[in-house]
Amino acid sequence: NAGVTQTPKFRILKIGQSMTLQCTQDMNHNYMYWYRQDPGMGLKLIYYSVGAGITDKGEVPNGYNVSRSTTEDFPLRLELAAPSQTSVYFCASIGGVNTEAFFGQGTRLTVV
Amino acid sequence: QKEVEQDPGPLSVPEGAIVSLNCTYSNSAFQYFMWYRQYSRKGPELLMYTYSSGNKEDGRFTAQVDKSSKYISLFIRDSQPSDSATYLCATLSGGYQKVTFGTGTKLQVIP
Repeated sequence: NAGVTQTPKFRILKIGQSMTLQCTQDMNHNYMYWYRQDPGMGLKLIYYSVGAGITDKGEVPNGYNVSRSTTEDFPLRLELAAPSQTSVYFCASIGGVNTEAFFGQGTRLTVV
Repeated sequence: QKEVEQDPGPLSVPEGAIVSLNCTYSNSAFQYFMWYRQYSRKGPELLMYTYSSGNKEDGRFTAQVDKSSKYISLFIRDSQPSDSATYLCATLSGGYQKVTFGTGTKLQVIP
C-alpha cells in the first residue's frame, strides 16, 4: 500500500496562476481532507469530503476548490494564486469512525 | 477561543530528560484525543490515541487525558535525539470525523 500520495512535492507559482494539487489514497477511505500548515499556526482545514461526490468547506476555504469524483482522488484547485497561499499543504484520509488519520508527505507551495 | 490550544515552544531538553507536552481544549463534546509526531518536511504520523480520561502508555510515551479540566498531556521518558520533532495534539469529533489540531510544539533533544 502506498497510503496517501500527494503530487507535486514542491511548486513555485506566480501571482494569478492556477494549479491543482493532487491527492490519491489506496486504502478505500471514505473521509478525505485538505489542510494547510503555516509556521506556528498548526494545521488548518481547507476542505473535506465524506465520500465520493460529497465535499464541504473547512475553516479556510477561500481561494480553493475541490472535487471528489472517486473514492481514491481528492484534488485541490487554486484558481488565482495569491502570496497568502504560500504554505505547506497536506492531504489526509480516515477510514472510518474514530480511526487514525493518514497523511501524505505534503506539497510545499510558494506564490511569488 | 481556539478549539485546541498548545504552547508552540520551542522546547529544548538534554538527552534522557522527561518531556511534558500539554494542550487544552474548549469543546466538552470532544471524546477522542490524539498526539501526532511530525518530523521536518514530513507529514504528521499518529503517535498515541486515547478515548477516556486517564493514562495510556506505549513504551517511553504516556498520554494523559483529564476531561474535567479539558487538559491533555504527552510525557516522553528517557528522551532521545530521535524524538526531536514537532508534536501536535488533536481531537476528533463530528459525523465527518473532523480532526482539529493544536499549533504543535517543536521539541529538540540535545545529545
